[in-house]
Amino acid sequence: GNSVTQMEGPVTLSEEAFLTINCTYTATGYPSLFWYVQYPGEGLQLLLKATKADDKGSNKGFEATYRKETTSFHLEKGSVQVSDSAVYFCALRAQGGSEKLVFGKGMKLTVNP
Amino acid sequence: DAGVIQSPRHEVTEMGQEVTLRCKPISGHDYLFWYRQTMMRGLELLIYFNNNVPIDDSGMPEDRFSAKMPNASFSTLKIQPSEPRDSAVYFCASSFVTSPLTFGPGTRLTVT
Repeated sequence: GNSVTQMEGPVTLSEEAFLTINCTYTATGYPSLFWYVQYPGEGLQLLLKATKADDKGSNKGFEATYRKETTSFHLEKGSVQVSDSAVYFCALRAQGGSEKLVFGKGMKLTVNP
Repeated sequence: DAGVIQSPRHEVTEMGQEVTLRCKPISGHDYLFWYRQTMMRGLELLIYFNNNVPIDDSGMPEDRFSAKMPNASFSTLKIQPSEPRDSAVYFCASSFVTSPLTFGPGTRLTVT
């Protein structure tokens, strides 16, 4: 079946550090890929997405590139801020399948000033 | 748009009691999802609807859980009887065709 594997953390970084959160997936064909972010006490919010191979999603300084050859969608940010402290989820939607998303387990990031 | 609305935001109840969680999806969205989030299991899809019809309820943990969507603007998730292991944050989310999911703020359920 379809699945997502991501770094689980927790991870603590200093402000302005470089961030990478690894995400790999298992699925047939070309799924759509997503990163969601959950701030404390809130629901999940879409951070960025990519729907085909080599697409790069970007938002709020975060980027992720859909790599079909390595079945990966790693999230990166060059300089994190305290306000980026949150839980980050990688997710996929199967190609031509139902609308449901399959989520990774999430990774908690804490950024210290 | 007010986004996905869930109520209550917090619920504390005693074991054995019935619990009803409510969700109002974004107007025009034709898919509605119920997820449960716990530390141990992360995010689990419980059930989802398309045009008010349940499509996949394979994630519903057991018969104590039931979900309905009587119309396009309202859904409920009911637990009867509730147990301490049901304590979790329950999220409702909605979407339109292939749009990304929009999540509600969640209901934090504590069963004592």
